[in-house]
Amino acid sequence: DGGITQSPKYLFRKEGQNVTLSCEQNLNHDAMYWYRQDPGQGLRLIYYSQIVNDFQKGDIAEGYSVSREKKESFPLTVTSAQKNPTAFYLCASSFNEKLFFGSGTQLSVL
Amino acid sequence: KNEVEQSPQNLTAQEGEFITINCSYSVGISALHWLQQHPGGGIVSLFMLSSGKKKHGRLIATINIQEKHSSLHITASHPRDSAVYICAGGGATNKLIFGTGTLLAVQP
Repeated sequence: DGGITQSPKYLFRKEGQNVTLSCEQNLNHDAMYWYRQDPGQGLRLIYYSQIVNDFQKGDIAEGYSVSREKKESFPLTVTSAQKNPTAFYLCASSFNEKLFFGSGTQLSVL
Repeated sequence: KNEVEQSPQNLTAQEGEFITINCSYSVGISALHWLQQHPGGGIVSLFMLSSGKKKHGRLIATINIQEKHSSLHITASHPRDSAVYICAGGGATNKLIFGTGTLLAVQP
C-alpha cells in the first residue's frame, strides 16, 4: 500500500538533546512537508521540500533542521535550540495540490 | 483574528442528523482544503475545491469565492464520522493557512 510512514509514534526528548523524526513515503511525490500541531491552533509549516536536495523554511523553522537526500525520505531534527518542542508533528506530501499525511509523532519533553 | 476561521469549534450530533461545518477566510486563495483528523492523529484529505461543489459519498463541500466561505456537509451522520474537521486555504500548498478545527462527536 502506498503512503507516508512516520516513526516513532511517541518520542521523548531530554533537555539539550537533539532528536530526529522519521518520514518516509512510497508515493513517488516530489513535494514533502513538516507541520507542527499544538492544541487549539492550526497546523503550522516548519519546513518543506519541493525536490530532492532542496528544502525551504516554513513559518516556524527556528530550532528545527531537515534534509532531503532521497526522494522517499524527509527527516526532521528537533534541535536543543527549540525551547518548546512538545507538540504533535505531521509529515505530508503533495501531488497536484492534494495533501497526503502520515499518522504523526507526538514529541514530549522529559 | 485568524485568517481562516471555522465554526463551530465543537459539535455534537445524533446519529442520522445532517451536519454543517463552516469555514470563512480573509485571505485570497486559489484552493480550499477540507481535512479529517481521527483520534489517532492521522489526517486524511477529504476535498480540495476552488469553486462550486464537490460530493463524495455522504460528504458534500461547497465554496463561495465572492463571500470567502466554504461549508462541509455530512448527510445521515454516523458515529464513525466523529473526528476533527479542518479547513485550510491558500495559494500553493506551502502557503496554506489552517483553521483550528471543528471537533465533531456523533452519538448513536
